[in-house]
Amino acid sequence: NAGVMQNPRHLVRRRGQEARLRCSPMKGHSHVYWYRQLPEEGLKFMVYLQKENIIDESGMPKERFSAEFPKEGPSILRIQQVVRGDSAAYFCASSPDLTLKPQHFGDGTRLSIL
Amino acid sequence: SQQGEEDPQALSIQEGENATMNCSYKTSINNLQWYRQNSGRGLVHLILIRSNEREKHSGRLRVTLDTSKKSSSLLITASRAADTASYFCATAPRVGTASKLTFGTGTRLQVTL
Repeated sequence: NAGVMQNPRHLVRRRGQEARLRCSPMKGHSHVYWYRQLPEEGLKFMVYLQKENIIDESGMPKERFSAEFPKEGPSILRIQQVVRGDSAAYFCASSPDLTLKPQHFGDGTRLSIL
Repeated sequence: SQQGEEDPQALSIQEGENATMNCSYKTSINNLQWYRQNSGRGLVHLILIRSNEREKHSGRLRVTLDTSKKSSSLLITASRAADTASYFCATAPRVGTASKLTFGTGTRLQVTL
């Protein structure tokens, strides 16, 4: 009965490289959300996806960031040409549907940019 | 500024005491939720209160919601060392995607023996 699985737990990239963060939702959950957390701050919504569809990306930076949730496989958050300011913890959450069910969170990927 | 702001930012109490955290928000909400985050871990859902509810209990947790003041409080009774964590309130908007949560800045709770 695995929860939300994120990998890697820690990711180190040099400026200009690409970062790929993966999230496998809980079994039976078709809704995935990505959040970003800076040190000593709360989580900031980035994007909400259902299978093969982006529903709400209002929190996603317009450039360099993209997200997908393919029919098969995990959801991917991709950051191209990373900069120091991208250093943060990125959390994925999932839920089964839109009725008042809480979101279940993974343990996050801590991204460090050198 | 934050949609949700917790008060206090940090709280240190002794085991057995009660801990109260407050959250204020700005816009109309569908529901308000409280989450706990242990250091280096993801968030764990604690309790959800709908906009038409005023109070809710779950074990040692008691949550109140005052929509006229746009505020909520989380009370943890008889605290334990294991309650040491950061606590966040999160609001879901009334209009639009109900699942798009907006988190506050959190209260860091330290419970000492």
